Amino acid sequence: GAGVSQSPSNKVTEKGKDVELRCDPISGHTALYWYRQSLGQGLEFLIYFQGNSAPDKSGLPSDRFSAERTGGSVSTLTIQRTQQEDSAVYLCASSYPGTGSYGYTFGSGTRLTVV
Amino acid sequence: QKEVEQDPGPLSVPEGAIVSLNCTYSNSAFQYFMWYRQYSRKGPELLMYTYSSGNKEDGRFTAQVDKSSKYISLFIRDSQPSDSATYLCAMSRPLGGYNKLIFGAGTRLAVHP
Repeated sequence: GAGVSQSPSNKVTEKGKDVELRCDPISGHTALYWYRQSLGQGLEFLIYFQGNSAPDKSGLPSDRFSAERTGGSVSTLTIQRTQQEDSAVYLCASSYPGTGSYGYTFGSGTRLTVV
Repeated sequence: QKEVEQDPGPLSVPEGAIVSLNCTYSNSAFQYFMWYRQYSRKGPELLMYTYSSGNKEDGRFTAQVDKSSKYISLFIRDSQPSDSATYLCAMSRPLGGYNKLIFGAGTRLAVHP
């Protein structure tokens, strides 16, 4: 597609429920990144994919968070047993390999609210 | 201590003013320096990037990097109401075969007519 597409754009869930957030990167971008943006905070790195593998998942805050990528394209971030502190905007970005230093293109994010 | 420090503002200026946005960092391994602009309910978009110390100009925007002081700046000349957004500095360092991007907290800028 023309840009990075994320769905849903907004999600309200009850505490304790599981949620899945989807990211559809730009066609041909093999690198994919997930970030989290809380109110008043900068972007917090979560995980990096190169193709279908995740060489850097050091930012996942707990084992309730997991992510996968299939076919070198779409990625899903799953949060199990959601907590109120998980409320944030989850941003996905993609890039060509080798341009990751300055070529990230971000989606508009999924605004997650846990009530 | 955070790797990248940025004053969150908010910063309010009149139209036509010169705006100065700044970040400091602690890790000398950072190699690329970027500024992103983020409008409300949108994702960040890349505004400028630089690799070395010095200045880079693009229209009304000038990015400045001082590696010796670990300090980067973004100047906006003749600011417009359409410049009202959150500006995020970001910098990357090599990590295991890729360049990891670390962001500042973002500075919220309001330019009023």
